[in-house]
Amino acid sequence: NAGVTQTPKFRVLKTGQSMTLLCAQDMNHEYMYWYRQDPGMGLRLIHYSVGEGTTAKGEVPDGYNVSRLKKQNFLLGLESAAPSQTSVYFCASSRGRANTGELFFGEGSRLTVL
Amino acid sequence: AQSVSQHNHHVILSEAASLELGCNYSYGGTVNLFWYVQYPGQHLQLLLKYFSGDPLVKGIKGFEAEFIKSKFSFNLRKPSVQWSDTAEYFCAKGMDSNYQLIWGAGTKLIIKP
Repeated sequence: NAGVTQTPKFRVLKTGQSMTLLCAQDMNHEYMYWYRQDPGMGLRLIHYSVGEGTTAKGEVPDGYNVSRLKKQNFLLGLESAAPSQTSVYFCASSRGRANTGELFFGEGSRLTVL
Repeated sequence: AQSVSQHNHHVILSEAASLELGCNYSYGGTVNLFWYVQYPGQHLQLLLKYFSGDPLVKGIKGFEAEFIKSKFSFNLRKPSVQWSDTAEYFCAKGMDSNYQLIWGAGTKLIIKP
């Protein structure tokens, strides 16, 4: 059972380039999330989805877009990467709401923007 | 705005020492509290959670946490740590406004063998 899988795991971009991070879960979870983790700041929610076809902004959504066309996939896009987006990105999923259940995380994707 | 504070960013202990990691949360809303752990090279995973009832919560791998309402605290404890407890520990609080979590900055724990 793979759980939550993120690709790619590492990526280096130049300022202004675009890229997409893919998150896939095989647990049939309704809820999916994208977080970023920066030193000394914990996890900050970028965008989340409460079901197929729906997305919502989190705490730090600027510069990112997301799509949830299929229940099992949640894509995070950077249209024009900036050095401030250098971070480790985590995808997570849950059966129910995050504030009352358990989140299942991917391994993380380390992004460096030069 | 609600917040979660983890005061110790780095903790170094020897094996068999007792552990207490601090977590304080800001007042407001339902008190749903969590501790997650990230072992080196592994996924973040849930250690334990508190929603209501007995304020002493037991989790996996011998960890426990105590909810103290008067102190707005939810400290993580383990009587005797092992080298395998080396990890980063995150405290989180559920928010009523959007049903999400707000996270502490994390505490990196290193256990010396």
